[in-house]
Amino acid sequence: DAGITQSPRYKITETGRQVTLMCHQTWSHSYMFWYRQDLGHGLRLIYYSAAADITDKGEVPDGYVVSRSKTENFPLTLESATRSQTSVYFCASSAGQGFSGNTIYFGEGSWLTVV
Amino acid sequence: GESVGLHLPTLSVQEGDNSIINCAYSNSASDYFIWYKQESGKGPQFIIDIRSNMDKRQGQRVTVLLNKTVKHLSLQIAATQPGDSAVYFCAESSGGFKTIFGAGTRLFVKA
Repeated sequence: DAGITQSPRYKITETGRQVTLMCHQTWSHSYMFWYRQDLGHGLRLIYYSAAADITDKGEVPDGYVVSRSKTENFPLTLESATRSQTSVYFCASSAGQGFSGNTIYFGEGSWLTVV
Repeated sequence: GESVGLHLPTLSVQEGDNSIINCAYSNSASDYFIWYKQESGKGPQFIIDIRSNMDKRQGQRVTVLLNKTVKHLSLQIAATQPGDSAVYFCAESSGGFKTIFGAGTRLFVKA
């Protein structure tokens, strides 16, 4: 039962570089999400996707790009990394239907440091 | 605006005692509530959920209580163990991606 797999788990990159965080889920969930978690801010939604080829902005989308060509994958790209993007990034998914369809399940996180 | 908050940022309990973590929410349209546990270095883990048409739901050693009158949610952990030490988040949802997470309460369990 793999669930949600994120890679890389840890990454150090330089300012201005492009970084892609990968996310793969095995549940065939319709919804997928990217959150960042910072001290003092809790979990903030960056982007979400309701289905393949459907994405939309969340609370803090600036500087990030997402795509969802396949239901199971939802990569997050930082086009030109900045120090303010140093954070822990969580990919998540939910079924979107049924009693517990809105329950969001999280991956283990990707720790990104921008130097 | 919509918000989910926690009354206590830190809670320290003795091993074997019961723990109660509280949460207040402000969106009366929320119809689904979830508790998550986050251990250090890991992602938030689903613990238990409850719909707005329920007042109480029990799981294994955990109980969630919902008081819609005062917009209050609580998580009760029975016989708290060292492995329960973590940050606990409440979350409210009104459907789809509209899930709002609280800031979290850190639970310390003293042996």
